[in-house]
Amino acid sequence: AQSVTQLDSQVPVFEEAPVELRCNYSSSVSVYLFWYVQYPNQGLQLLLKYLSGSTLVKGINGFEAEFNKSQTSFHLRKPSVHISDTAEYFCAVSASNTGKLIFGQGTTLQVKP
Amino acid sequence: DTGVSQDPRHKITKRGQNVTFRCDPISEHNRLYWYRQTLGQGPEFLTYFQNEAQLEKSRLLSDRFSAERPKGSFSTLEIQRTEQGDSAMYLCASMEGGFAYNEQFFGPGTRLTVL
Repeated sequence: AQSVTQLDSQVPVFEEAPVELRCNYSSSVSVYLFWYVQYPNQGLQLLLKYLSGSTLVKGINGFEAEFNKSQTSFHLRKPSVHISDTAEYFCAVSASNTGKLIFGQGTTLQVKP
Repeated sequence: DTGVSQDPRHKITKRGQNVTFRCDPISEHNRLYWYRQTLGQGPEFLTYFQNEAQLEKSRLLSDRFSAERPKGSFSTLEIQRTEQGDSAMYLCASMEGGFAYNEQFFGPGTRLTVL
């Protein structure tokens, strides 16, 4: 079975500061890793995903994530956040051929002016 | 708009009533997923379809829940004899192809409130 733990429920940060949202996963098999963002009153949107190859993955809106197999982590980073990045962020894994996603609890990113 | 749509967006019902939600996926997507999201939690998998076949159901899906996808197009999720614990956001997602690494496209969700 797979599980995902997002280590911070809320991350407050000032505009233009860097941010890291932490994600750890547990799985006995190889997994695919995803970060989704959920803006208020909108559906989840894919930010980026890791399948294989380079451990540094670049996504939309200037976000990137690094896969670390030894630490079973997939932390999301952005060097300079904007007010518009305020949203809920979810880390997820998919391991079986069903494609079902196992999500973490979510991290609320609050960008302050 | 060719994204995933869900109807209704909000539903308020009394305990014991039946409710039905609809999801219209992106037209060429053969896989359709249902998730449930409660306040402060991430979405939890409920069930999924490959075309019209329902291939997996979570243990979260009690016998009061039923889902269909006739003709492999839209899908419905019905909850019978609703309970207050059913209050949640119900999310639908669709995916093209059968690979676990493909992107799932999510609808805006249906928020259910059971009084």
